[in-house]
Amino acid sequence: QVQLVDTGGGLVKPGGSLRLSCAASGFTFSDYYMSWIRQVPGKGLEWVSYISSSGSPIYYADSVKGRFTASRDDTKNSLYLQMNSLSAEDTAVYYCARSPHRLVPTFDYWGQGTLVTVSS
Amino acid sequence: QSALTQPASVSGSPGQSITISCTGTTSDVGDYNYVSWYQLHPGRAPKLIIFDVSNRPSGVSHRFSGSKSGNTASLTISGLQPEDEGDYYCSSYTSTNTLGVFGTGTKVTVV
Repeated sequence: QVQLVDTGGGLVKPGGSLRLSCAASGFTFSDYYMSWIRQVPGKGLEWVSYISSSGSPIYYADSVKGRFTASRDDTKNSLYLQMNSLSAEDTAVYYCARSPHRLVPTFDYWGQGTLVTVSS
Repeated sequence: QSALTQPASVSGSPGQSITISCTGTTSDVGDYNYVSWYQLHPGRAPKLIIFDVSNRPSGVSHRFSGSKSGNTASLTISGLQPEDEGDYYCSSYTSTNTLGVFGTGTKVTVV
């Protein structure tokens, strides 16, 4: 069955960096667009990044543009999110999700999420 | 891009029906049939329960149904059960932003 496993979260100081990973299984990873979505504690969901099945184009929310970089490695069935210049506003649970349609916010499978805490 | 507007909370008794609204604009909900609904439980992977306004993924209970009228989409949960407690979010394609927009979220309580 389809499974997405998010890892890499943790505590990081403001200005620091973190790399999240998402291991996919149970489907042909290279056929699908993938997304990163986050939920700030007590707040709503935000679509952070979207990467096409070919790896390009990649889109970012304005709130992370220039600081976050999404990538994928189809040989490892994995999705990544490199997060730099982190601030307290980036504290959130980060989910990877499968996007069956191009640039439509339908996410049919999600990871369990990984918590990123930015604090000194 | 403003979030879609949902009620903060909705509650109901077991067996009752409840409806959660998701209000947007003509740039998103009103003009596009790409509204999805998600169920979130703490510590678990979010679950897609409705896509394209009114379609249920395989395996989702028939107690969940979706609809749309004008700029407002709705999720109805019939025959409310304790396991339906959780947070529910809508999302929509939008013409004003490359990435879509989520709703503000609704906490469902079964009392």
